[in-house]
This record gives sequence, structure tokens and C-alpha cells, in this order.
Amino acid sequence: SQQGEEDPQALSIQEGENATMNCSYKTSINNLQWYRQNSGRGLVHLILIRSNEREKHSGRLRVTLDTSKKSSSLLITASRAADTASYFCATGPKGSGNTGKLIFGQGTTLQVKP
Amino acid sequence: DVKVTQSSRYLVKRTGEKVFLECVQDMDHENMFWYRQDPGLGLRLIYFSYDVKMKEKGDIPEGYSVSREKKERFSLILESASTNQTSMYLCASSSSSTGGRDTIYFGEGSWLTVV
Repeated sequence: SQQGEEDPQALSIQEGENATMNCSYKTSINNLQWYRQNSGRGLVHLILIRSNEREKHSGRLRVTLDTSKKSSSLLITASRAADTASYFCATGPKGSGNTGKLIFGQGTTLQVKP
Repeated sequence: DVKVTQSSRYLVKRTGEKVFLECVQDMDHENMFWYRQDPGLGLRLIYFSYDVKMKEKGDIPEGYSVSREKKERFSLILESASTNQTSMYLCASSSSSTGGRDTIYFGEGSWLTVV
């Protein structure tokens, strides 16, 4: 079953602007991750935030997590045309043990115009 | 570098054919996964395996089976392909170690068209 829901489904911005994507989920989690997918390719892991963390940074990426609202956001600052891709949140539900099983959302398609 | 290799990038098969999708990882990972990706539906887990010869059903196992005879290889089998199995299939793997299990590594995907 799909747990994560991203919002918006599609986002179009100009190069240099910031892009914000949101993710909501339903059950208790161990962690939440964001992945990126270039058109027609596999997914690539971007960043992970644990349930006891509220904010995390990696380069131009900033992720926040609000477990009380069961939501997360991914901010890409100073976007570039090369950031054009689909972005997925994925949750590691509590009780998934060491299997690494994740539940993915439907993704946000980001277009960055040069 | 971590590598998950899916043997076929594009396949066209006929309805009723038996289809094998092969996946190999070179990271000695315990966990391996097969996902299906469709527009508007995101990624859905078909099967996963947490050890050799071990498998568990995911969210949409109907019409599929899997095989994990060796640690590095995880095969997805469509016993009798149908047109509604036309999709992109993604293989992935992860470590079961405490520090490593949180990141899943994906292959490049296999586009299957069933006609």
C-alpha cells in the first residue's frame, strides 16, 4: 500500500529559484528518505532523516520532518536545470526490522527551466 | 561503486509467454527487491528477499514469482505475461546491517511491453 503522498505532483520553476516538495505519510516510521529519478532511469538515494531528527542538510538539499504531523519537506535551493527529475519520498515503517523495506510515494516531477 | 545491474533494459514479449527479469548486485547485500513503477501509481513492491532462498510477498505479488538461489542474484518471473504487466520494473538491494540497511540502491530499470 502506498503510504507517502507527495505534493505537488508537478512543479515548474526558473533556474536559481528554490523548489519545495512535501510528503505526508500515515504510519509510524523509523526514517524517511528522499530519492531522485531522472527520466527513464533508476532511483538514486539523496538523503535520509531519522524519526528523532527534525532537520537535515546535504549540499543544496534541506529536509525537515514533523512526526506529529506525519509530514516531511524537501527544499532544493538555487535550483539548476540539472535538478530536473522526479523526487520520491520513502518511509521505513516501524517494525520493518532489518529488511530495509520502504514504502514509496507517487513522486513530484520537478522541471527547472534555464 | 555500488552497482545493481538489470540484464535487460527493454523487452517486448507476447501475452502468455514466460518472462524472466534478472538482477545482480555486487555489494554482498542481504536484501533485494523488485518494484514495479507505473504513472500515477508510484513504486509498488512486488517481492523482496532478505536472504538466499528466502522471499516475502510485497503489495502486488499476483502474477509474479521470484527466485534467489545466490546472494547476488534476484530474478523476477512472470509465469504467463499479460498486457496489464506492461510496466517499468526496478530491482534494488540494501544491506541488512544497522548502518547500511537504510539506503536502497536501484538498478536502471527494465521496460517490459507485453503485446
